[in-house]
Amino acid sequence: KQEVTQIPAALSVPEGENLVLNCSFTDSAIYNLQWFRQDPGKGLTSLLLIQSSQREQTSGRLNASLDKSSGRSTLYIAASQPGDSATYLCAVTLIKAAGNKLTFGGGTRVLVKP
Amino acid sequence: KAGVTQTPRYLIKTRGQQVTLSCSPISGHRSVSWYQQTPGQGLQFLFEYFSETQRNKGNFPGRFSGRQFSNSRSEMNVSTLELGDSALYLCASSSSLSGGGNTQYFGPGTRLTVL
Repeated sequence: KQEVTQIPAALSVPEGENLVLNCSFTDSAIYNLQWFRQDPGKGLTSLLLIQSSQREQTSGRLNASLDKSSGRSTLYIAASQPGDSATYLCAVTLIKAAGNKLTFGGGTRVLVKP
Repeated sequence: KAGVTQTPRYLIKTRGQQVTLSCSPISGHRSVSWYQQTPGQGLQFLFEYFSETQRNKGNFPGRFSGRQFSNSRSEMNVSTLELGDSALYLCASSSSLSGGGNTQYFGPGTRLTVL
């Protein structure tokens, strides 16, 4: 059974510092891995999707890496801002599951202090 | 392009009642998935519909059911509500061009409270 873990569960950094968020998964037979952002009481916003054949994906200040062999992904957010405060979730799609079923980690709650 | 919409946004029900939630995907998207989010269990997959057929199902009891219409809009129904069904219910749509593993776009969710 695929398990997705995100450590730490919460993180607090001063504004301007780079953020490093970790995600690990137990089954390396994945289609892809997605990173999402969730603001309190709201839905999820897709940040980046990395296909299993890719090593990294970048969008603005965000960079996500994927190491399938070790079952890890890292989301880097450069020069953090108070507006980056949110919960960040990673999720994988398994090849054997087919379709678009996502298995989520528990999330990392981030607070960026001005 | 309009995003994923969910109605209603908030619901309060009592134990034993049933509830129907609605999700309208992004125009052109044929895949709709449903998730339950609770503080204790996090985000858990309920089911996915593609072209009016259930393609994937999570580990939830039969009280949870869904369907998809020809215009790709989807509904989920929960019968005989229990206190533990209180949660944020999220739906997500995707284009499903390659059959799976596509970017998921989430709606704002329906907050269900069972008293």
